[in-house]
Amino acid sequence: GAGVSQTPSNKVTEKGKYVELRCDPISGHTALYWYRQSLGQGPEFLIYFQGTGAADDSGLPNDRFFAVRPEGSVSTLKIQRTERGDSAVYLCASSLNRLGAPLHFGNGTRLTVT
Amino acid sequence: DQQVKQNSPSLSVQEGRISILNCDYTNSMFDYFLWYKKYPAEGPTFLISISSIKDKNEDGRFTVFLNKSAKHLSLHIVPSQPGDSAVYFCAASVDGGSQGNLIFGKGTKLSVKP
Repeated sequence: GAGVSQTPSNKVTEKGKYVELRCDPISGHTALYWYRQSLGQGPEFLIYFQGTGAADDSGLPNDRFFAVRPEGSVSTLKIQRTERGDSAVYLCASSLNRLGAPLHFGNGTRLTVT
Repeated sequence: DQQVKQNSPSLSVQEGRISILNCDYTNSMFDYFLWYKKYPAEGPTFLISISSIKDKNEDGRFTVFLNKSAKHLSLHIVPSQPGDSAVYFCAASVDGGSQGNLIFGKGTKLSVKP
């Protein structure tokens, strides 16, 4: 079956531009997560959706970052006024809504801000 | 301030021998621990987990040990195979396995030599 799909796989943008990163979770997975991985670091939590609502957005670094999941399936991570420090691999994951259910990660979107 | 620490950035092991990857944590509220494996250009893949009420969990060649008093866990791979070569991330949660917000270490790169 299909795994978590993230598009684009690579995105290069200029400082100050707006970007959208898309995540298609595994069908039937109600929980969806965004993480960010910078070079030499482990994944860092950004936001967690349960259905359509953001259950925990405590990891979003500032108000330039926003994520939506309007129909409880596909999610979009939006970054306004990008900065060079936003360059990283943005990982999306989904899981079933039960204790111990593992996160299934996509291959990520590599964002480069020049 | 890293709550989950993997102090060895890399480990090299001969095929057939045991690989031991270590992880230390500082937050005594963590109650669920996981190991993920990551190949280049792919997302992390769930490997094995352990609840804080246990001190050992085994799945085939992979065993995770938890020492709560030392705030330490380790992943043992026996026997190691060249296909095990990857970056291994330790992660922890305070959610009892609901995994809404995982805290990851920086990873250990394992190389298994034929």
